[in-house]
Amino acid sequence: AQSVTQLGSHVSVSEGALVLLRCNYSSSVPPYLFWYVQYPNQGLQLLLKYTSAATLVKGINDFEAEFKKSETSFHLTKPSAHMSDAAEYFCAVSDSGNTPLVFGKGTRLSVIA
Amino acid sequence: EAGVAQSPRYKIIEKRQSVAFWCNPISGHATLYWYQQILGQGPKLLIQFQNNGVVDDSQLPKDRFSAERLKGVDSTLKIQPAKLEDSAVYLCASSPDRTEAFFGQGTRLTVV
Repeated sequence: AQSVTQLGSHVSVSEGALVLLRCNYSSSVPPYLFWYVQYPNQGLQLLLKYTSAATLVKGINDFEAEFKKSETSFHLTKPSAHMSDAAEYFCAVSDSGNTPLVFGKGTRLSVIA
Repeated sequence: EAGVAQSPRYKIIEKRQSVAFWCNPISGHATLYWYQQILGQGPKLLIQFQNNGVVDDSQLPKDRFSAERLKGVDSTLKIQPAKLEDSAVYLCASSPDRTEAFFGQGTRLTVV
């Protein structure tokens, strides 16, 4: 069965600093991997997805993530945090598109001025 | 392109009452999901439809939850009777090809 582990339920960074949100997955088949963002009282918005093409995936708002099979990781990064990045971030895995998304517990990102 | 529409946005009910949520997916999306998101946790799949057929309802508490998707478009999720632990955000999502899900804004249910 697939699963996702997000390390750190809460991450706090200064405005302009590097953002790093960690995600490790477990899957018996080549996975599809996703990062979603959720703003307060909103649904989930897709940031980026990995579907077995390039291992470095670029998403919206300067976010990117790198698929590392040897480490079973798909960490999310952004070079410079903005106040507007404060939100809940979810990593999710799918079995090559044939099964529904399985989500991690989420990481709340706070950005300090 | 219109997104996934859900209603109501908020609902407060007493335990043992019944409640229903409605979802209108993105036009043309064959796959529809209902997820339950309890405060502080990631979304958990309740049920997945492919057109109007159920693909996966293994995590749906069938003694109290039911869902249908008539004509392969709109869907309703019902809880009867509600329990305190059903307090959560119920998210509907749709997908054109099951490789990416588009989410609605959700319905926040509070059971008192």
